[in-house]
Amino acid sequence: DVKVTQSSRYLVKRTGEKVFLECVQDMDHENMFWYRQDPGLGLRLIYFSYDVKMKEKGDIPEGYSVSREKKERFSLILESASTNQTSMYLCASSFNSEAFFGQGTRLTVV
Amino acid sequence: QKEVEQNSGPLSVPEGAIASLNCTYSDRGSQSFFWYRQYSGKSPELIMFIYSNGDKEDGRFTAQLNKASQYVSLLIRDSQPSDSATYLCAVNPWGYGQNFVFGPGTRLSVLP
Repeated sequence: DVKVTQSSRYLVKRTGEKVFLECVQDMDHENMFWYRQDPGLGLRLIYFSYDVKMKEKGDIPEGYSVSREKKERFSLILESASTNQTSMYLCASSFNSEAFFGQGTRLTVV
Repeated sequence: QKEVEQNSGPLSVPEGAIASLNCTYSDRGSQSFFWYRQYSGKSPELIMFIYSNGDKEDGRFTAQLNKASQYVSLLIRDSQPSDSATYLCAVNPWGYGQNFVFGPGTRLSVLP
């Protein structure tokens, strides 16, 4: 079974902090994605990556950056956390078009 | 902007009935289509995918695709209370191994 693991299930951070969300997949997938999910807005793509050191902006990249130094790991970085970044963050990886999700990180910025 | 639209619901059906979930998409070049189920507080899990026009059946689930009408649906036969969840339609606009666009989801409630 494909396993996508996110480093934290719940996080509480203060406004202005730099926040790192980590995601690791164990199936050698080339494609990895970061989404956020908010009530009424659905899943929105923040960034995605097709390969190591490659990244592409999604629909809402502002305030975020990503890092992919190894194929299995895709990190989402909030440079200076703000309250409007309070959300559920979902990492996914894919091969042959099917996406597999991690368990999600519920981030609260206070 | 490539879009995927779904009725947000909630859609309520009695136990044992057929639940019909619908999805439309804007990009005519879309190649592959997915249905995910998401329980409250959990991450989405893949139920079915379909690439070709017509029907695809898997147990109690049937996905239907009509590319000319840019329409994909999911039928759940013999609905059970455990099917109560939000169902997300996802479209891969650029084909093999690329990005996904998700609809907002339809909340299904199966009443005992």
